[in-house]
Amino acid sequence: ILNVEQSPQSLHVQEGDSTNFTCSFPSSNFYALHWYRWETAKSPEALFVMTLNGDEKKKGRISATLNTKEGYSYLYIKGSQPEDSATYLCAPHGQGGSEKLVFGKGTKLTVNP
Amino acid sequence: DTEVTQTPKHLVMGMTNKKSLKCEQHMGHRAMYWYKQKAKKPPELMFVYSYEKLSINESVPSRFSPECPNSSLLNLHLHALQPEDSALYLCASSQDPDLSLIPKYNEQFFGPGTRLTVL
Repeated sequence: ILNVEQSPQSLHVQEGDSTNFTCSFPSSNFYALHWYRWETAKSPEALFVMTLNGDEKKKGRISATLNTKEGYSYLYIKGSQPEDSATYLCAPHGQGGSEKLVFGKGTKLTVNP
Repeated sequence: DTEVTQTPKHLVMGMTNKKSLKCEQHMGHRAMYWYKQKAKKPPELMFVYSYEKLSINESVPSRFSPECPNSSLLNLHLHALQPEDSALYLCASSQDPDLSLIPKYNEQFFGPGTRLTVL
């Protein structure tokens, strides 16, 4: 899986707004999708690993859905807070190279107080 | 201990210098990774070690030389680098290469990175 698109590239929202962004990937040879959250000057942190079509995962105010047939995943943040400001990376994982993740360019989220 | 540590945090080196980046984890993970990340681009995989053996080399120039002396340590030796090699170098680890087809075990834990500047 080489062609991973994330949109938008950056996003500015007000505190309390809900927001979402997209990861698109080729649906053939799909195996799993990883979402990572990367705050400035910190380590990327794993949020979710998703495998099944229709999967929905939730962690606090953050949730994600997966559509493997059409090749996309949405990440939702409900009631954004300034501490949600980070770059959100997705990394689809193909059935081929078992240890290899290919990251998208990320969506940089800024939540203004 | 659920942390991946990297030293140094910042490194400035000349094109003739030899330096090393270090990465350490004590989670018992048996796969370790080096990534390179340039501004406004995603992390790009460089090397993967599985059970202390090099399993993936993404056609990285030989001026980057990885080493895995034991299951907890991963080094990246640098020699004769170019200014375009300036980037953030991230280390990561995951639980068990033999279980890497099970997505839960493929989750990668990242260090904070070393910011490298080549003059």
